[in-house]
Amino acid sequence: AQSVTQLDSHVSVSEGTPVLLRCNYSSSYSPSLFWYVQHPNKGLQLLLKYTSAATLVKGINGFEAEFKKSETSFHLTKPSAHMSDAAEYFCASSSFKTIFGAGTRLFVKA
Amino acid sequence: EAGVVQSPRYKIIEKKQPVAFWCNPISGHNTLYWYRQNLGQGPELLIRYENEEAVDDSQLPKDRFSAERLKGVDSTLKIQPAELGDSAVYLCASSLEVRTGAFFGQGTRLTVV
Repeated sequence: AQSVTQLDSHVSVSEGTPVLLRCNYSSSYSPSLFWYVQHPNKGLQLLLKYTSAATLVKGINGFEAEFKKSETSFHLTKPSAHMSDAAEYFCASSSFKTIFGAGTRLFVKA
Repeated sequence: EAGVVQSPRYKIIEKKQPVAFWCNPISGHNTLYWYRQNLGQGPELLIRYENEEAVDDSQLPKDRFSAERLKGVDSTLKIQPAELGDSAVYLCASSLEVRTGAFFGQGTRLTVV
């Protein structure tokens, strides 16, 4: 069965400190993995994707994610949070269909 | 280039009334998706099209929901009759293929009263 689990419903960081949003996946086949960001009243925007090439994937706005098959994880990181990063983040997995996690809301404190 | 366009942005209807949502995907994107997003949750796939063919509609409540994608471009999602539990944001997305990641529209926020 295919599933995506985002381990934290909320993450709070101070501006300028690192961000870590955790995602674990389950799939019978090698999936493509994605991170999306959703700002209030906006549609989802693709941050980055993994499609079986390099395991460390760089995305927009300084975000990156590392695919670890042994841990079935695809955690999203950013070295230094900015106030504008405050949003909802969704991890998704695609093999035969696309499954989204429940989301992690990122709060950034000044 | 225009992104995925959805209309209307907001819709309020009484229960048992019909409602329709429209989506225009990015030009050249063969794959089109309709998702439903409830408050505080991730998007849930309702239906996926490859060109004009619905290839995954396993999560579409077929007793009241219907969708079409005539000519493999624009798509319409309809609910008839609407129920209170249908209140949600309905998202349309498109992609070149499933594994490339999708581009989303801004969604239609449906409120059923």
